[in-house]
Parts: sequence; C-alpha cells; structure tokens
Amino acid sequence: EPEVTQTPSHQVTQMGQEVILRCVPISNHLYFYWYRQILGQKVEFLVSFYNNEISEKSEIFDDRFSVERPDGSNFTLKIRSTKLEDSAMYFCASRLQGHSYEQYFGPGTRLTVT
Amino acid sequence: AQTVTQSQPEMSVQEAETVTLSCTYDTSESNYYLFWYKQPPSRQMILVIRQEAYKQQNATENRFSVNFQKAAKSFSLKISDSQLGDTAMYFCAWNTGNQFYFGTGTSLTVIP
Repeated sequence: EPEVTQTPSHQVTQMGQEVILRCVPISNHLYFYWYRQILGQKVEFLVSFYNNEISEKSEIFDDRFSVERPDGSNFTLKIRSTKLEDSAMYFCASRLQGHSYEQYFGPGTRLTVT
Repeated sequence: AQTVTQSQPEMSVQEAETVTLSCTYDTSESNYYLFWYKQPPSRQMILVIRQEAYKQQNATENRFSVNFQKAAKSFSLKISDSQLGDTAMYFCAWNTGNQFYFGTGTSLTVIP
C-alpha cells in the first residue's frame, strides 16, 4: 500500500541553523501539508500546498518557514534561523483531490534544536 | 471558532471490555468530515475511522464505531473488545478539505 515517507526520522540542529525536512507524498496525491506536534501537545496545522503554491498557512508558519516541491516527488519544509521552540515532531501529509478529505500522514521527523 | 474538545485526557479499560472516547467540536461549516486518529508510542498518525457529516449513519470499522450527533456537534469513538495494541493516544479531528483541526487527545491504556 502506498505511504507517505519522511526523512530524516530525527534531526538535531543548533539554534540559528537552517534545517530542511523532506517528505515524499503518495504519488498521485495533489494536496500536501505540514503539521507539527510539540511533545505532549496536540497536532497543529502549519501549511497546505496545492498546484505549486501555498493555499493556506497558520500563524505558526512565519517568515522563517518555507515549503517547496522541487521535483515531482519531494515536498520539503525549510526552517531558517531555528529556535529552541521549533523542537517538535513534524508530520507531512498528502491527499487526493476529492471529497473524502482524508489525509495520509507520514511517520514524522523529530526535530531537536539545541 | 474552529475548535475540537476532548474532555478526557486519560482513560483506561480492561482488555476485552468496551470504552468510549468523547469529542465535541465547534464549526459553522455545513459540510465537513470527522476523523479519529490513533498515535501509538511510535508517534505515527494512523487513521482509525472517518465520518462524513452529511451521512446520518454512524461509521463502523471492525471493533471501532462512532456515535455522531450532528446537532450536538458530538463525535464519540467506541472501541469494543479492547486489545493491548489499542493502547495509544487518540485524536479527534475535523476537516473541510484543507487543514485539520485536532483535539488535544485522549491517552488510552488497555490493562491486561
């Protein structure tokens, strides 16, 4: 069964550095998402992406964050000038066009900012 | 405000028993979908069950079923014949086609 994959599974970075989290959505999906989950808290929406542009973003997604679909398969989240509070689990998700709205989540990347 | 409330932070159930997790939500949308996701210690988000808001019939998926009360904006999850592998965090969520709105989760422990 097709699945969303994410790399790396765990990323450690120093405060102020830039990180890129990578996701490979399911191949025929058209909508892509990033979410984050701070340890012990709920999953929070960051951004949605469709037709090569951001369709919606939350207040968490400030100007340090960016997303890109550099080729036909990858979907990346870049965080510049990382802060301690960026430490969280980051989930990528994707879905088909249609009315079921079910999003398929990847296994997550644990980002630790030290 | 688009909110999802899970009022039970922690629950436990004896193996083979039945447990119900509650969820209420607030939205002004008329067409939306509701979901329950399971997050085991691995932290992978796994879809448990889905309900279309325009359908009156409650969704069922093997041992999992929902009690959807649209007027009350309530969407509870019933797990029958609980198994040890059901131990996880359970998140209720709703979606109109773009972002998900998640609740704060209920930590369920199945006791042998």
